[in-house]
Amino acid sequence: NAGVTQTPKFQVLKTGQSMTLQCAQDMNHEYMSWYRQDPGMGLRLIHYSVGAGITDQGEVPNGYNVSRSTTEDFPLRLLSAAPSQTSVYFCASSHGNEQFFGPGTRLTVL
Amino acid sequence: RKEVEQDPGPFNVPEGATVAFNCTYSNSASQSFFWYRQDCRKEPKLLMSVYSSGNEDGRFTAQLNRASQYISLLIRDSKLSDSATYLCQYPPSGGSYIPTFGRGTSLIVHP
Repeated sequence: NAGVTQTPKFQVLKTGQSMTLQCAQDMNHEYMSWYRQDPGMGLRLIHYSVGAGITDQGEVPNGYNVSRSTTEDFPLRLLSAAPSQTSVYFCASSHGNEQFFGPGTRLTVL
Repeated sequence: RKEVEQDPGPFNVPEGATVAFNCTYSNSASQSFFWYRQDCRKEPKLLMSVYSSGNEDGRFTAQLNRASQYISLLIRDSKLSDSATYLCQYPPSGGSYIPTFGRGTSLIVHP
């Protein structure tokens, strides 16, 4: 099993550009989530999903959209990138209590 | 009070030392906790689960103190490779789907 995969690994955007961070898991987990991690701030939950077709907001959802059309995929969309969205983004999936994280996407917004 | 609190450190220890750090929590309904290890520029990965009876895995021991509402992680005979950030987590409770993470404790093991 590949576990949780994320693409791209690195991305540089200009302010105002949009993009989609991809996340996929092959463990048939119902729960998936997106976090951003900034120095000194820990993991902050952006959006999460408890199953296909169901999404909800986390702690810091503004500026981000998600969808969950399949169990496997949970893309995160940045609608109009801002420098404040420069961060490391982690996707995670879970069946029970343990969280499985993807390798992360390092995003820089200029 | 924040739900989960950790001392950010860094804890700077020599090789071979024993080091321990705690994670305090405010949700007393939690039945299980987890410690994750996060290496620099990498994703968090599960290190150990922590239940009422505690857990030991080689040089690592995790314990739960319900009375004082904290979990601890003890590392004996520290290795250079133990240098990382250690995050605690407890699972969703009270109808929530959202797990709660601490901000992490940084450990630096030096020669």
